[in-house]
Amino acid sequence: QKEVEQDPGPLSVPEGAIVSLNCTYSNSAFQYFMWYRQYSRKGPELLMYTYSSGNKEDGRFTAQVDKSSKYISLFIRDSQPSDSATYLCAMNLQADKLIFGTGTRLQVFP
Amino acid sequence: NAGVMQNPRHLVRRRGQEARLRCSPMKGHSHVYWYRQLPEEGLKFMVYLQKENIIDESGMPKERFSAEFPKEGPSILRIQQVVRGDSAAYFCASSPPGQGLAFFGQGTRLTVV
Repeated sequence: QKEVEQDPGPLSVPEGAIVSLNCTYSNSAFQYFMWYRQYSRKGPELLMYTYSSGNKEDGRFTAQVDKSSKYISLFIRDSQPSDSATYLCAMNLQADKLIFGTGTRLQVFP
Repeated sequence: NAGVMQNPRHLVRRRGQEARLRCSPMKGHSHVYWYRQLPEEGLKFMVYLQKENIIDESGMPKERFSAEFPKEGPSILRIQQVVRGDSAAYFCASSPPGQGLAFFGQGTRLTVV
């Protein structure tokens, strides 16, 4: 079993839709939970991070962590074609290597 | 505040040559990670360093690969005697001391011909 599981997609949605991206993990000791966005042939860009559990909102993006279920989510409201990218979840212990999911490819069509 | 800087952005090497990839972390960041990404695949951890110290190299191949982060200057990922299977995008990330966040550079795309 992988430490972090993520559905690779692709996920195709119309512009304006609400997008839900998810990851599950097995190590209950993880403390930092991050979402990265990666455009083709670019480096991963840190979108959201959460320390421990709870929710965090930033504009159209909301990150949720449910430590009891070992499940994290990223919601994108009012999705735009410019949101089309691969979204990677990542998590780690404090000051330790990040463990990544395989990434979900998202396509938002006009 | 400049982000994580990697150079070169593209590197072509013939089989058997050496490849040197450089990474300058963000200002104030004392920790550096190296990751490898193959096409259509996720990021695979290679090595985690702080200045003058390797913290975790569990993802590094045992042969031909080495990494350093000297007291002065950038972190270097060195691949000796490259083979075609080394062709990939290599990403560096840096983090502040004591935190789990990591910020990535734009990567070096290594092509072995």
